Order: sequence, then C-alpha cells, then structure tokens
Amino acid sequence: DGGITQSPKYLFRKEGQNVTLSCEQNLNHDAMYWYRQDPGQGLRLIYYSQIVNDFQKGDIAEGYSVSREKKESFPLTVTSAQKNPTAFYLCASSILQGGYTFGSGTRLTVV
Amino acid sequence: QKEVEQDPGPLSVPEGAIVSLNCTYSNSAFQYFMWYRQYSRKGPELLMYTYSSGNKEDGRFTAQVDKSSKYISLFIRDSQPSDSATYLCAMSDGGFQKLVFGTGTRLLVSP
Repeated sequence: DGGITQSPKYLFRKEGQNVTLSCEQNLNHDAMYWYRQDPGQGLRLIYYSQIVNDFQKGDIAEGYSVSREKKESFPLTVTSAQKNPTAFYLCASSILQGGYTFGSGTRLTVV
Repeated sequence: QKEVEQDPGPLSVPEGAIVSLNCTYSNSAFQYFMWYRQYSRKGPELLMYTYSSGNKEDGRFTAQVDKSSKYISLFIRDSQPSDSATYLCAMSDGGFQKLVFGTGTRLLVSP
C-alpha cells in the first residue's frame, strides 16, 4: 500500500536536546512538507521541498532543520534553538497541483 | 487578519442532520480549494478537491466555491456519528502546491 510513514508516533525531548522526526513516502511524490499543529492555530508550514537536495523555509522555520537526500525521505530535526517544540508534527507529500497526503503525525513533548 | 478564516466550533448536530461548514479567505489569487477531515490524533485526509468556482459532489459530501464572495462551503448530508471530526479547509494559488489552511471546525454528530 502506498502512503506516508511518520515515526515515532510519540517522542519526548529533554531541554537542550536535538531530536529527529522521520518521514518516508512511497507514493513517488516530488513535493514533501512539514507542518506543525497547535490547538487553535491550525497547520503552520515549517519547511517544504520540491525536489531532491532542495528545500525552502516555511512560515516558522526557526529552530528546525531538514534534509532531502532521497525522494522518499524528508526528516525534520527539532533543534535546541526551538524554544517551544511541544506540538503535533505532520509530514505530507503531493504531486504538482494535487492535494496533500498526510502521515499519521508525531507528537513531540518536552520533558 | 488571517488569510483563511474558519469558525473553530464545536458544531453539534443530531444524526441525520445536514451540516454546513464554511471558510472565508482574502487572497483573490486562490484557485485550488480543498477540504480535509482529521480524526483525533491522526493526520488529515483529503475529502474534496475543487478548482475555481462551482460545485462538486461525492456521495454525501458537496463542496461549493464562490470566488466572487471569497467563500467556500462543505455540506454533509445525512450526517453520521462517524463524521465527528475536525474539518480543515485549505487553498492555494496553483502552480507549486503550498497550501494555506484554516484552523479547522470541530464537528460533533450525536446518535
């Protein structure tokens, strides 16, 4: 079955620690995205990528980093510079002018 | 003012009711309009996808776009308890897909 796999489902981060969220797709989609979802604020774009080895900042990129070394993979690193990282993180992919396919999300909590 | 406005709800209806969910937007360049359904702790799933103005029907769901009023709607006929979820509108100006999302409306359908 084609789809997007996000892992882990739940992640706990200590203060000052970097953590990486995994996102893998087998839909052969060119574009991939990372969104953050907070209650009452909807989805906010962190980073997006149209092609391998190229990505652009979204609206709230500070404190985050990404890589796109393979078409199938778009990992997100939440760095210690992100002061309020507790949120639900969603990865998505799409073809041009098509709707997004979302993963099931990773819930990150600072402990 | 947000680019896309959506009432957060909750909207509570009895089973069998017709549900109307709405979004307004300010960017006249938007051409592609989508509705996503998101169950609790899950990723959003694409329900309806429309281009420009007009209506689109799929089973119990009908999407309407009125570009002159910058207003889109999703109607759900014969609503079911399984329709209880958060409904997100999303839109883009075309080309490379970079969607702008509403904050979502929480719908509760009681048996």
